[in-house]
Amino acid sequence: DVKVTQSSRYLVKRTGEKVFLECVQDMDHENMFWYRQDPGLGLRLIYFSYDVKMKEKGDIPEGYSVSREKKERFSLILESASTNQTSMYLCASSFQTSGSYEQYFGPGTRLTVT
Amino acid sequence: DQQVKQNSPSLSVQEGRISILNCDYTNSMFDYFLWYKKYPAEGPTFLISISSIKDKNEDGRFTVFLNKSAKHLSLHIVPSQPGDSAVYFCAATNFGNEKLTFGTGTRLTIIP
Repeated sequence: DVKVTQSSRYLVKRTGEKVFLECVQDMDHENMFWYRQDPGLGLRLIYFSYDVKMKEKGDIPEGYSVSREKKERFSLILESASTNQTSMYLCASSFQTSGSYEQYFGPGTRLTVT
Repeated sequence: DQQVKQNSPSLSVQEGRISILNCDYTNSMFDYFLWYKKYPAEGPTFLISISSIKDKNEDGRFTVFLNKSAKHLSLHIVPSQPGDSAVYFCAATNFGNEKLTFGTGTRLTIIP
């Protein structure tokens, strides 16, 4: 059974703070993703990683960076948190070119920036 | 530029009846489509998918229909059950592209 875990379910940070969101998967997936979910906007891709140390910008990378030092772990970094980054953050992982394109999601981190 | 659109933000259906959720896309390169279901405070879970070589895929109470000429897909749930109350997202990609483009979601409420 695929397990994707995220370090926190709820997080409250102040404007200007550096924020780290951690994601770990246990299925040896090559691909890992960070999304944010906002009402009326659905899921939007922030960053994608297809291998260790490899990353690709998604649709809304501004204000974010990522790190993937190990295959199972993918971190999202908010260098200087702002109130417009208050959102639900979802991590996902998938096998590479499996033909199914199914992504497995973690439970999400609800981040509030005050 | 919303390439995948779910024009109904919400839908209410009586228990036991059919639920039909719709999704439209604009990118003609998309050739693989997925539906996800999301409960509050949980991550989305995969429900069913369809490739462009088919026009229908069925899995138990869930059926997805694809109309390529209209760039439209729909998810049918029959019969609807209270546990089906959730937000449903459609997603699309093209073969070889690991990234998915998601729609905005439809909140389905099943009325007992």
